[in-house]
Amino acid sequence: GDSVTQMEGPVTLSEEAFLTINCTYTATGYPSLFWYVQYPGEGLQLLLKATKADDKGSNKGFEATYRKETTSFHLEKGSVQVSDSAVYFCALGHFGNEKLTFGTGTRLTIIP
Amino acid sequence: EAEVAQSPRYKITEKSQAVAFWCDPISGHATLYWYRQILGQGPELLVQFQDESVVDDSQLPKDRFSAERLKGVDSTLKIQPAELGDSAMYLCASSPTQAGGYNEQFFGPGTRLTVL
Repeated sequence: GDSVTQMEGPVTLSEEAFLTINCTYTATGYPSLFWYVQYPGEGLQLLLKATKADDKGSNKGFEATYRKETTSFHLEKGSVQVSDSAVYFCALGHFGNEKLTFGTGTRLTIIP
Repeated sequence: EAEVAQSPRYKITEKSQAVAFWCDPISGHATLYWYRQILGQGPELLVQFQDESVVDDSQLPKDRFSAERLKGVDSTLKIQPAELGDSAMYLCASSPTQAGGYNEQFFGPGTRLTVL
């Protein structure tokens, strides 16, 4: 079955530091890949997505590239802000059956 | 901006009691999902509806959990009887059904259940 593995947290960085959160997956076929963000007390919000190999998803300064050869979808941001503090989830889904399989989440804390 | 509504936001109950959660999806969204998120883990799908029909309930513990979406709009998830291990966040999501692309899921704020 499908599975998603994320780097374990929590991750603590200083403001303006470079961020990488690793994500690898196991899936049949050609899944779509997602990063969701969950701010304290809120539901999940879609941050970015990629639907085929070599696609790059980007939003709010975050980027992730769908690497089929390494089955990875690592999240990166060049300069993090305090407001980026949240829990980040990597997920995958299949076209035609859009239920999502999530990783365990990575808690990110940015200190001023 | 349209949002997925859930209530209650928080629920504390004693084990062996019955609890129910309600979800109102974004208007026009045919697909509705219930996920369970245990603390420190990612959400796991419990049940998926297409309109009023169940598409996938393979991970729903059917001896104690039930879900319905009678008119294909809002939905109720019930647990009876609740057990200590049911303490979790219960998330509802909805998505439109549009041909030709992946249909994004929109999540509600969740119901945090604590079973004592």
